[in-house]
Amino acid sequence: DAGITQSPRHKVTETGTPVTLRCHQTENHRYMYWYRQDPGHGLRLIHYSYGVKDTDKGEVSDGYSVSRSKTEDFLLTLESATSSQTSVYFCAIRGALAGGSTDTQYFGPGTRLTVL
Amino acid sequence: QKEVEQDPGPLSVPEGAIVSLNCTYSNSAFQYFMWYRQYSRKGPELLMYTYSSGNKEDGRFTAQVDKSSKYISLFIRDSQPSDSATYLCAMSIYNFNKFYFGSGTKLNVKP
Repeated sequence: DAGITQSPRHKVTETGTPVTLRCHQTENHRYMYWYRQDPGHGLRLIHYSYGVKDTDKGEVSDGYSVSRSKTEDFLLTLESATSSQTSVYFCAIRGALAGGSTDTQYFGPGTRLTVL
Repeated sequence: QKEVEQDPGPLSVPEGAIVSLNCTYSNSAFQYFMWYRQYSRKGPELLMYTYSSGNKEDGRFTAQVDKSSKYISLFIRDSQPSDSATYLCAMSIYNFNKFYFGSGTKLNVKP
């Protein structure tokens, strides 16, 4: 268990409203990621962070912003939600495999977002 | 062209069968290769991890990497209904920030 929680787990909202999703980790990992997962597209990277206040865009960043003011929290904001942002959102951390120094990713349980 | 290609399936097999799941990729710089298992309405969980070419075995699971062909495989022996899930391949470059995922193959193991 990589100690990653996401909130809320489910959300229904209306087009044009702002939405913030939270990812929280308990193990002080430097790298955190936000993905969205849609049928036929797999996991697509939205934004990632490599430290407090250090973030960068992924392949599908339009319409999303992120913030990381503390190591343990990485927030994803949809400034004005659209129906195309209906998806399942996963947070991930980059962490070392047990017994080694090699990194891989561990995922949170996901947030199911519906934009009406 | 996507950097990582994976047949979406679905793949349906009888219990006890040997399952072969595959991904191809285009970036020869990839060095780290991963397989994730994702049950319905859950987050992906790391199943297997390999570095560079070769085979790695863990119980009923074997991961195989052929860098010359840019092709990776996951074999599941004696498949069980509990193996029914979507399997995602992923890969990355050494000391690079991003991971690249296949779209996932849905596997159904019938009792």
